[in-house]
Amino acid sequence: AQSVTQLDSHVSVSEGTPVLLRCNYSSSYSPSLFWYVQHPNKGLQLLLKYTSAATLVKGINGFEAEFKKSETSFHLTKPSAHMSDAAEYFCVVSDRGSARQLTFGSGTQLTVLP
Amino acid sequence: DTAVSQTPKYLVTQMGNDKSIKCEQNLGHDTMYWYKQDSKKFLKIMFSYNNKELIINETVPNRFSPKSPDKAHLNLHINSLELGDSAVYFCASSHFTLQGFGSPLHFGNGTRLTVT
Repeated sequence: AQSVTQLDSHVSVSEGTPVLLRCNYSSSYSPSLFWYVQHPNKGLQLLLKYTSAATLVKGINGFEAEFKKSETSFHLTKPSAHMSDAAEYFCVVSDRGSARQLTFGSGTQLTVLP
Repeated sequence: DTAVSQTPKYLVTQMGNDKSIKCEQNLGHDTMYWYKQDSKKFLKIMFSYNNKELIINETVPNRFSPKSPDKAHLNLHINSLELGDSAVYFCASSHFTLQGFGSPLHFGNGTRLTVT
Protein backbone atom coordinates (compact mmCIF):
# COMPACT_ATOMS: atom_id res chain seq x y z
CA ALA A 1 0.00 0.00 0.00
CA GLN A 2 1.17 3.51 -0.68
CA SER A 3 0.24 6.86 0.75
CA VAL A 4 1.54 10.40 0.80
CA THR A 5 1.15 13.19 3.33
CA GLN A 6 1.80 16.82 2.61
CA LEU A 7 2.44 18.33 5.98
CA ASP A 8 1.32 21.88 5.21
CA SER A 9 -1.86 22.85 3.43
CA HIS A 10 -0.66 26.46 3.05
CA VAL A 11 2.83 27.96 2.93
CA SER A 12 3.50 31.66 2.65
CA VAL A 13 6.93 33.12 1.83
CA SER A 14 8.30 36.48 0.78
CA GLU A 15 9.70 36.91 -2.71
CA GLY A 16 13.41 36.12 -2.76
CA THR A 17 13.30 33.86 0.34
CA PRO A 18 13.66 30.06 0.34
CA VAL A 19 10.75 27.72 -0.24
CA LEU A 20 10.25 24.43 1.62
CA LEU A 21 7.22 22.24 0.90
CA ARG A 22 7.17 19.06 2.98
CA CYS A 23 6.11 15.61 1.87
CA ASN A 24 6.24 12.24 3.64
CA TYR A 25 5.37 8.99 1.95
CA SER A 26 4.61 5.39 2.78
CA SER A 27 5.34 2.60 0.34
CA SER A 28 5.68 -1.18 0.49
CA TYR A 29 8.21 -1.12 -2.34
CA SER A 30 10.90 1.21 -3.61
CA PRO A 31 8.74 4.07 -4.81
CA SER A 32 8.80 6.59 -7.58
CA LEU A 33 8.07 10.07 -6.31
CA PHE A 34 6.97 13.17 -8.15
CA TRP A 35 6.17 16.81 -7.53
CA TYR A 36 3.56 18.49 -9.69
CA VAL A 37 2.54 22.15 -9.79
CA GLN A 38 -0.92 23.45 -10.63
CA HIS A 39 -1.42 27.09 -11.52
CA PRO A 40 -4.95 28.51 -11.34
CA ASN A 41 -7.29 27.10 -13.98
CA LYS A 42 -4.53 24.94 -15.40
CA GLY A 43 -3.67 21.27 -15.43
CA LEU A 44 -0.88 19.78 -13.38
CA GLN A 45 2.67 20.15 -14.67
CA LEU A 46 5.53 17.85 -13.69
CA LEU A 47 8.21 19.67 -11.70
CA LEU A 48 10.53 16.74 -11.03
CA LYS A 49 10.63 13.00 -10.41
CA TYR A 50 12.65 10.49 -8.42
CA THR A 51 12.97 6.94 -9.74
CA SER A 52 15.79 5.34 -7.71
CA ALA A 53 18.68 7.16 -9.33
CA ALA A 54 20.30 10.16 -7.62
CA THR A 55 18.62 11.05 -4.35
CA LEU A 56 18.85 14.79 -5.05
CA VAL A 57 16.62 15.56 -7.98
CA LYS A 58 16.66 18.82 -9.88
CA GLY A 59 13.53 20.00 -11.61
CA ILE A 60 12.27 22.89 -13.64
CA ASN A 61 12.15 26.53 -12.52
CA GLY A 62 14.93 26.08 -9.96
CA PHE A 63 13.12 23.54 -7.79
CA GLU A 64 14.77 20.47 -6.35
CA ALA A 65 13.83 17.66 -3.98
CA GLU A 66 15.79 15.18 -1.92
CA PHE A 67 14.71 11.59 -1.40
CA LYS A 68 15.49 10.50 2.17
CA LYS A 69 14.61 6.86 2.67
CA SER A 70 15.41 6.88 6.39
CA GLU A 71 12.96 9.71 6.94
CA THR A 72 10.49 8.60 4.21
CA SER A 73 10.51 12.17 2.98
CA PHE A 74 10.68 13.94 -0.36
CA HIS A 75 10.62 17.64 0.47
CA LEU A 76 10.57 20.25 -2.30
CA THR A 77 12.85 23.26 -2.05
CA LYS A 78 13.82 26.36 -3.97
CA PRO A 79 16.51 28.83 -2.85
CA SER A 80 14.64 31.97 -3.84
CA ALA A 81 10.90 32.30 -4.40
CA HIS A 82 9.50 34.20 -7.35
CA MET A 83 6.01 35.64 -7.64
CA SER A 84 5.29 33.22 -10.47
CA ASP A 85 5.85 30.28 -8.09
CA ALA A 86 2.52 30.97 -6.39
CA ALA A 87 0.46 27.85 -7.11
CA GLU A 88 -0.77 24.54 -5.69
CA TYR A 89 1.89 21.84 -5.33
CA PHE A 90 1.21 18.11 -5.21
CA CYS A 91 3.50 15.37 -3.98
CA VAL A 92 2.79 12.02 -5.67
CA VAL A 93 3.93 8.45 -4.98
CA SER A 94 3.83 5.36 -7.14
CA ASP A 95 5.17 1.87 -6.47
CA ARG A 96 5.16 -1.45 -8.26
CA GLY A 97 2.28 -2.64 -6.15
CA SER A 98 0.11 0.17 -7.36
CA ALA A 99 -0.93 -1.20 -10.75
CA ARG A 100 0.10 2.00 -12.47
CA GLN A 101 -1.86 4.14 -10.06
CA LEU A 102 -0.43 7.31 -8.64
CA THR A 103 -1.43 8.43 -5.16
CA PHE A 104 -1.66 12.21 -4.84
CA GLY A 105 -1.11 14.23 -1.71
CA SER A 106 -3.72 16.73 -0.62
CA GLY A 107 -1.74 19.65 -2.01
CA THR A 108 0.10 22.66 -0.58
CA GLN A 109 -0.95 26.15 -1.59
CA LEU A 110 2.15 28.34 -1.93
CA THR A 111 1.65 32.08 -1.58
CA VAL A 112 4.50 34.42 -2.48
CA LEU A 113 4.35 37.87 -0.89
CA PRO A 114 5.94 40.89 -2.57
CA ASP B 1 0.52 22.06 -30.56
CA THR B 2 -1.03 21.37 -27.17
CA ALA B 3 0.10 18.00 -25.82
CA VAL B 4 -3.08 16.95 -23.99
CA SER B 5 -6.19 18.84 -24.96
CA GLN B 6 -9.65 18.42 -23.54
CA THR B 7 -12.93 20.03 -24.48
CA PRO B 8 -14.93 21.79 -23.35
CA LYS B 9 -13.06 23.92 -20.82
CA TYR B 10 -16.28 24.81 -19.00
CA LEU B 11 -19.52 22.87 -18.89
CA VAL B 12 -22.63 24.13 -17.11
CA THR B 13 -25.67 21.90 -17.19
CA GLN B 14 -28.77 20.92 -15.27
CA MET B 15 -29.34 17.84 -13.17
CA GLY B 16 -30.48 14.84 -15.13
CA ASN B 17 -28.76 15.81 -18.37
CA ASP B 18 -26.19 13.69 -20.22
CA LYS B 19 -22.88 15.25 -21.23
CA SER B 20 -19.53 14.25 -22.72
CA ILE B 21 -15.97 15.48 -22.31
CA LYS B 22 -13.40 14.77 -24.99
CA CYS B 23 -9.66 14.32 -24.66
CA GLU B 24 -6.89 13.96 -27.20
CA GLN B 25 -3.12 13.63 -26.78
CA ASN B 26 -0.42 14.04 -29.42
CA LEU B 27 2.49 12.79 -27.31
CA GLY B 28 2.46 9.26 -28.67
CA HIS B 29 1.55 7.88 -25.24
CA ASP B 30 -0.26 4.59 -24.97
CA THR B 31 -1.99 5.12 -21.63
CA MET B 32 -4.66 7.70 -20.84
CA TYR B 33 -6.53 8.58 -17.65
CA TRP B 34 -9.46 10.48 -16.24
CA TYR B 35 -9.04 12.17 -12.86
CA LYS B 36 -11.60 14.05 -10.79
CA GLN B 37 -10.54 17.04 -8.68
CA ASP B 38 -12.99 18.12 -6.02
CA SER B 39 -13.48 21.55 -4.47
CA LYS B 40 -10.70 20.85 -1.95
CA LYS B 41 -8.25 20.16 -4.79
CA PHE B 42 -8.13 16.43 -3.98
CA LEU B 43 -7.32 14.37 -7.08
CA LYS B 44 -8.80 10.91 -7.53
CA ILE B 45 -8.29 8.58 -10.43
CA MET B 46 -11.42 7.37 -12.18
CA PHE B 47 -10.31 5.35 -15.20
CA SER B 48 -7.24 4.41 -17.18
CA TYR B 49 -6.88 2.93 -20.64
CA ASN B 50 -3.80 1.31 -22.13
CA ASN B 51 -3.95 0.85 -25.90
CA LYS B 52 -7.74 1.13 -25.82
CA GLU B 53 -8.05 -1.47 -23.05
CA LEU B 54 -9.53 -0.47 -19.69
CA ILE B 55 -6.90 -1.17 -17.01
CA ILE B 56 -8.07 0.92 -14.08
CA ASN B 57 -11.71 1.26 -13.16
CA GLU B 58 -12.09 2.80 -9.74
CA THR B 59 -15.28 2.85 -7.75
CA VAL B 60 -17.16 5.29 -9.90
CA PRO B 61 -20.95 5.37 -10.49
CA ASN B 62 -21.85 3.51 -13.65
CA ARG B 63 -23.34 6.75 -14.93
CA PHE B 64 -19.74 7.49 -15.93
CA SER B 65 -18.62 5.65 -19.03
CA PRO B 66 -15.22 6.13 -20.65
CA LYS B 67 -14.61 5.35 -24.30
CA SER B 68 -11.30 5.10 -26.10
CA PRO B 69 -11.67 4.93 -29.89
CA ASP B 70 -7.89 4.84 -30.30
CA LYS B 71 -4.88 5.28 -28.04
CA ALA B 72 -4.75 9.04 -28.70
CA HIS B 73 -8.33 9.68 -27.55
CA LEU B 74 -10.22 9.07 -24.34
CA ASN B 75 -13.72 10.46 -23.90
CA LEU B 76 -15.88 10.54 -20.80
CA HIS B 77 -19.66 10.33 -21.02
CA ILE B 78 -21.78 11.09 -17.98
CA ASN B 79 -25.46 10.15 -17.79
CA SER B 80 -28.10 11.61 -15.49
CA LEU B 81 -25.85 14.27 -14.03
CA GLU B 82 -26.12 14.95 -10.30
CA LEU B 83 -25.12 17.95 -8.18
CA GLY B 84 -22.27 15.95 -6.67
CA ASP B 85 -20.70 15.49 -10.09
CA SER B 86 -19.65 19.15 -10.06
CA ALA B 87 -15.85 19.14 -10.14
CA VAL B 88 -12.89 19.66 -12.43
CA TYR B 89 -12.18 16.63 -14.61
CA PHE B 90 -8.64 16.15 -15.86
CA CYS B 91 -7.48 13.98 -18.69
CA ALA B 92 -3.87 12.77 -18.58
CA SER B 93 -1.57 10.50 -20.53
CA SER B 94 1.67 8.63 -19.99
CA HIS B 95 3.93 5.92 -21.37
CA PHE B 96 3.26 2.37 -20.27
CA THR B 97 6.12 0.98 -18.18
CA LEU B 98 6.92 -2.69 -17.73
CA GLN B 99 7.26 -2.16 -14.01
CA GLY B 100 3.82 -0.63 -13.91
CA PHE B 101 4.94 2.57 -12.25
CA GLY B 102 7.35 5.47 -12.51
CA SER B 103 6.06 7.11 -15.65
CA PRO B 104 5.00 10.73 -15.14
CA LEU B 105 1.62 11.98 -16.25
CA HIS B 106 0.95 14.80 -18.69
CA PHE B 107 -2.28 16.60 -17.88
CA GLY B 108 -4.79 18.55 -19.87
CA ASN B 109 -6.03 21.89 -18.55
CA GLY B 110 -9.22 20.42 -17.13
CA THR B 111 -12.94 20.68 -17.70
CA ARG B 112 -14.86 22.51 -15.00
CA LEU B 113 -18.26 20.84 -14.75
CA THR B 114 -21.00 22.66 -12.89
CA VAL B 115 -24.31 20.90 -12.35
CA THR B 116 -27.21 23.12 -11.29
